[in-house]
Amino acid sequence: EAGVTQFPSHSVIEKGQTVTLRCDPISGHDNLYWYRRVMGKEIKFLLHFVKESKQDESGMPNNRFLAERTGGTYSTLKVQPAELEDSGVYFCASSRSSGGTYEQYFGPGTRLTVT
Amino acid sequence: AQKVTQAQTEISVVEKEDVTLDCVYETRDTTYYLFWYKQPPSGELVFLIRRNSFDEQNEISGRYSWNFQKSTSSFNFTITASQVVDSAVYFCALSEAVLNFGNEKLTFGTGTRLTIIP
Repeated sequence: EAGVTQFPSHSVIEKGQTVTLRCDPISGHDNLYWYRRVMGKEIKFLLHFVKESKQDESGMPNNRFLAERTGGTYSTLKVQPAELEDSGVYFCASSRSSGGTYEQYFGPGTRLTVT
Repeated sequence: AQKVTQAQTEISVVEKEDVTLDCVYETRDTTYYLFWYKQPPSGELVFLIRRNSFDEQNEISGRYSWNFQKSTSSFNFTITASQVVDSAVYFCALSEAVLNFGNEKLTFGTGTRLTIIP
């Protein structure tokens, strides 16, 4: 089966601009997670979807970040307006809701650079 | 609050040597899960193992082995007879156990960059 895919792989934008990151989870995975790694620090949880519903968005830094998952398939994470501290690698992960071992499968990440 | 500490930022060993990556965790939960992920140069995080807090048996998978000790809150990872392909960043992670399987947000350590020298 195809893995988790993320687009773009790398984005360079100026402070104040808007960027939208996309994640396509593994087909059939109801759970979708967004994480972020700022340079040299740990990977931190941002939010969790179950199908199209946000279950936990406690990790979202502020209201400049907006995540959506229309139809319970792919998800987008929009940053508007971007700030310098938003630079980092944004990871998406998906997992099944039932059956299997529930591990999260991660995508390759989107490296966001805000200048 | 949950916390995962990987004190080793970078490790370099010569090929065929054994190497152990340390992971220490903190949690108030009585039931939780521990994970190890590998991040090769391609960037994605590759799942290696998931361990329930009630299962303290050590696990071996080929050249990989994991030592889980609740008494010291540690979940260390050993690679035996290391190979160049083992070079990667390795992350230890922790999640609480929840009623609805699959809803497990992960708390990660800062990662250990392992370099195997040919």
